[in-house]
Amino acid sequence: DAKTTQPPSMDCAEGRAANLPCNHSTISGNEYVYWYRQIHSQGPQYIIHGLKNNETNEMASLIITEDRKSSTLILPHATLRDTAVYYCIVRVHSGGGADGLTFGKGTHLIIQP
Amino acid sequence: DAGITQSPRHKVTETGTPVTLRCHQTENHRYMYWYRQDPGHGLRLIHYSYGVKDTDKGEVSDGYSVSRSKTEDFLLTLESATSSQTSVYFCAIRVGAGDEAFFGQGTRLTVV
Repeated sequence: DAKTTQPPSMDCAEGRAANLPCNHSTISGNEYVYWYRQIHSQGPQYIIHGLKNNETNEMASLIITEDRKSSTLILPHATLRDTAVYYCIVRVHSGGGADGLTFGKGTHLIIQP
Repeated sequence: DAGITQSPRHKVTETGTPVTLRCHQTENHRYMYWYRQDPGHGLRLIHYSYGVKDTDKGEVSDGYSVSRSKTEDFLLTLESATSSQTSVYFCAIRVGAGDEAFFGQGTRLTVV
């Protein structure tokens, strides 16, 4: 799996968009970008994933640059409940394989009231 | 929550005693995982399963064994607990064709 780099922490005001960057300059053509988050004391939660097109779901949007070397997770209207550690993970789809996810240190996003 | 539950949620045990943690799922998913999470190390994979009686080791498997005799249950056993195994343990299931995983709420294990 390609290595990812995320800022250790970020602040965002409640109600504003939170933009979390991830650098994955060594990503290969068949690797996907996944985002998870972990709210304090809870298990990680899947947010979104993408290959090269931008993706949006009910939780967030994922913007992947054209060269795929970086991506941004966008929480459009951050709430206090979005305070969590956000993990960017790059990996080939497991397909028939079963190996687990490799979590780095992530970004601790703090939503300020 | 993808129907995944862990038990117990909290446990305190003495060094040298055996401990079994249970992960139960209700949706018949093939792949199940056990992770541990420690300050400074993040989440690390202990063991995983890709079907009944099919398991394999992860990054930090020493001191742990697993069993999966039924699709819905994945058991993690510490044969002889040590203080270094004090941790929060998370079970996960993989859903779909990609790597979307749902995690349980965790088991906080303290070995004294």
